Amino acid sequence: ETGVTQTPRHLVMGMTNKKSLKCEQHLGHNAMYWYKQSAKKPLELMFVYNFKEQTENNSVPSRFSPECPNSSHLFLHLHTLQPEDSALYLCASSQDPGTYNEQFFGPGTRLTVL
Amino acid sequence: SQELEQSPQSLIVQEGKNLTINCTSSKTLYGLYWYKQKYGEGLIFLMMLQKGGEEKSHEKITAKLDEKKQQSSLHITASQPSHAGIYLCGAANQAGTALIFGKGTTLSVSS
Repeated sequence: ETGVTQTPRHLVMGMTNKKSLKCEQHLGHNAMYWYKQSAKKPLELMFVYNFKEQTENNSVPSRFSPECPNSSHLFLHLHTLQPEDSALYLCASSQDPGTYNEQFFGPGTRLTVL
Repeated sequence: SQELEQSPQSLIVQEGKNLTINCTSSKTLYGLYWYKQKYGEGLIFLMMLQKGGEEKSHEKITAKLDEKKQQSSLHITASQPSHAGIYLCGAANQAGTALIFGKGTTLSVSS
């Protein structure tokens, strides 16, 4: 139990569906992150939020839309996804963004796009 | 862009044996993180190394940072089935805003 929760844990969706992933951290952290983990690839950073403001978008397609209403919650809205978007989506948080701040990860959402 | 190369990609060891996993960066390292992941689950933080020559231990796991070689090693002594999983090294990206990761080393421990 890392203090970061993600729901749902598993999601299957069609290419025309719209769904959202939710992440919540109970650690009082200021920074939150979305990562994508595909088979045989390194973990890929998608978005970084610091104090609810997006500070980094790692060239992510617009079919992924993040939302951070407050420092404790982070969403990833999904629409018109492609089968190659199937992956494990991990949320993380840290006290602050930056080099020497340990990131705490949630258990991930396993997404399958049909 | 910076890349982290981990070796070996996978490893099978007999219970009780020692093993080492390496992580080499293509650029200067400013902090090196080791995480462990059970398949399909989130990452569990093991340790962070900040300075060249730094060495940290947690139970039977020891990690070292060689800043000059831009490399870190993770050593497990007397491996147990509970050590099985995927070990990932991570380092701060150039902007210092988030971590980049290696592809991971999958460890299996046979009893």
